[in-house]
Amino acid sequence: DTAVSQTPKYLVTQMGNDKSIKCEQNLGHDTMYWYKQDSKKFLKIMFSYNNKELIINETVPNRFSPKSPDKAHLNLHINSLELGDSAVYFCASSHARDWRYGYTFGSGTRLTVV
Amino acid sequence: TQLLEQSPQFLSIQEGENLTVYCNSSSVFSSLQWYRQEPGEGPVLLVTVVTGGEVKKLKRLTFQFGDARKDSSLHITAAQPGDTGLYLCAGAPGGSYIPTFGRGTSLIVHP
Repeated sequence: DTAVSQTPKYLVTQMGNDKSIKCEQNLGHDTMYWYKQDSKKFLKIMFSYNNKELIINETVPNRFSPKSPDKAHLNLHINSLELGDSAVYFCASSHARDWRYGYTFGSGTRLTVV
Repeated sequence: TQLLEQSPQFLSIQEGENLTVYCNSSSVFSSLQWYRQEPGEGPVLLVTVVTGGEVKKLKRLTFQFGDARKDSSLHITAAQPGDTGLYLCAGAPGGSYIPTFGRGTSLIVHP
């Protein structure tokens, strides 16, 4: 069983479209995250939810909207996709807000906007 | 300005060589973590260091946290092709709980 699973693995779409990425974890963690990794491999946090409550919301265009229906799921919806949104998006989870226990990452969703 | 500076950015070595990669900051961190990321996969946590001066070993990998908790190093002994990957350090400075990652060291170990 995959601990943190993301779908889809690859997503190719045209500018202006709306798309969603889904994430599920079966580790019993109560905190989940979305990270964006750019072409230079830099990982930057976008959002974090703790027990369905948004606790981190970094400087991200409001075209990006996370949703957490329960503590095991965190989805990312992106409206009006732009070329600059092309990146790999990682979902991660941890035991608590104290992420020093360590993240478990999903295998990523490679988004390509054409 | 990057909060966590990793060096070198790239490293290409032969199997059996030793290497050290560094993670430096001007900020104090309550802990630092090291991850390895392989192509097409997410980062995998290797270790968390918490106490200044702490040394942790994971088989051929040795991790050290600086006494002032501003820097960390990863030393690999007798590198193997399976060690190939992107090594990332991560931490949250001071009282922040928002973690930040370094830009990573991309390691290639040739057979």
